Amino acid sequence: KQEVTQIPAALSVPEGENLVLNCSFTDSAIYNLQWFRQDPGKGLTSLLLIQSSQREQTSGRLNASLDKSSGRSTLYIAASQPGDSATYLCAASGGSYIPTFGRGTSLIVHP
Amino acid sequence: DVKVTQSSRYLVKRTGEKVFLECVQDMDHENMFWYRQDPGLGLRLIYFSYDVKMKEKGDIPEGYSVSREKKERFSLILESASTNQTSMYLCASSLYRGSDNEQFFGPGTRLTVL
Repeated sequence: KQEVTQIPAALSVPEGENLVLNCSFTDSAIYNLQWFRQDPGKGLTSLLLIQSSQREQTSGRLNASLDKSSGRSTLYIAASQPGDSATYLCAASGGSYIPTFGRGTSLIVHP
Repeated sequence: DVKVTQSSRYLVKRTGEKVFLECVQDMDHENMFWYRQDPGLGLRLIYFSYDVKMKEKGDIPEGYSVSREKKERFSLILESASTNQTSMYLCASSLYRGSDNEQFFGPGTRLTVL
């Protein structure tokens, strides 16, 4: 059964830092990996989806990479801002196309 | 833009009541999902559906049922609400089953069972 782990569970950084959030998965036979953002008390917002044939995807200050062989994905946030404060979740989808979610990384960017 | 809406943001019910949570998506998506999210436990899949009138059990279906009579609507039913069903409920949809399949979520329903 697929297991998805996100480390660290929480992160606090000063504004302006470039940061990396990590996501690891145990079964490398995935079709895609999706990154989400969740604000407190709200639903999940899709940030990036990387298909298994791709190595990375970019959207604005966000860049997500995927290394299936090592079972890892990273979300890179450039020049972090207080508005980036949220919980970031990753989800890996395999043959059933049912995503398996990590527990998330809670990010605080302080001014 | 894909829009997934849920019937209520907040709901308070009493133990033993029958509770209906409604989810509607407006992009003709085939797949729909119901999750619950609890602190320390993450997202857990309750039920999902790949097509109208189809339903599949997720990881924690006990105490819940679902209905999908129309493609755009997926309802979660708590037959007899209990306090341990107090949670945030999230509905999601995706277009089909493929590698470019992106999942979209609704705003969530915070259910409190007293």
